[in-house]
Amino acid sequence: EVQLVESGGGLVQPGGSLRLSCAGSTFTFSSYWMSWVRQAPGKGLEWVANIKRDGSEKYYVDSVKGRFTISRDNTKNSLYLQMNSLRAEDTAMYYCVTTGGYWGQGTLVTVSS
Amino acid sequence: QAVVTQEPSLTVSPGGTVTLTCGSSTGAVTSGHYPYWFQQKPGQAPTTLIYDTSNKYSWTPARFSGSLLGGKAALTLSGAQPEDEAEYYCLLSYSGVGEVFGGGTKLTVL
Repeated sequence: EVQLVESGGGLVQPGGSLRLSCAGSTFTFSSYWMSWVRQAPGKGLEWVANIKRDGSEKYYVDSVKGRFTISRDNTKNSLYLQMNSLRAEDTAMYYCVTTGGYWGQGTLVTVSS
Repeated sequence: QAVVTQEPSLTVSPGGTVTLTCGSSTGAVTSGHYPYWFQQKPGQAPTTLIYDTSNKYSWTPARFSGSLLGGKAALTLSGAQPEDEAEYYCLLSYSGVGEVFGGGTKLTVL
């Protein structure tokens, strides 16, 4: 069974940083583009960033450009999201997603003083 | 970035047929936007139903189908079941820019 397991979420003060991780198993991780998608409480889905199979291309939603960095390590079947200068509006459940159709269960990020 | 539009809410009778649509502020939706469709039930992570306009996954119920219709991406549900009541999201890809979700359609089976 394909698994994606996110970790690294938590409570952080405005202006702080967090690094999210997503570990994939039982599928060929390096074959897929990977994305981070977030969902604020009671709101819809928002695409945050994605990364090409080999990491050579990365794209971001305008609201996180310059603050968030997506990366991957195919040798570890892992996806990352470094989040700096966090704001209250970044509060959300963060999901990692593959173009193969699989979603993780999410990790909650709360930005509050 | 582009704005992707969906019907806020739709209602379908059990056994009935309904079509959800997904439009783009930049113009007609084409296969080059690689439309995806997702289903999300309350308290659960989303699941992916359709990729690249009309392709299904092994877990996608046969009653769901994807297409392009009148300049939009479309998700058609034929033979609605009570368990299909959920929020549905589309996602469009914009080459060299990134991806954008629609605002979601709340589908009621009643």
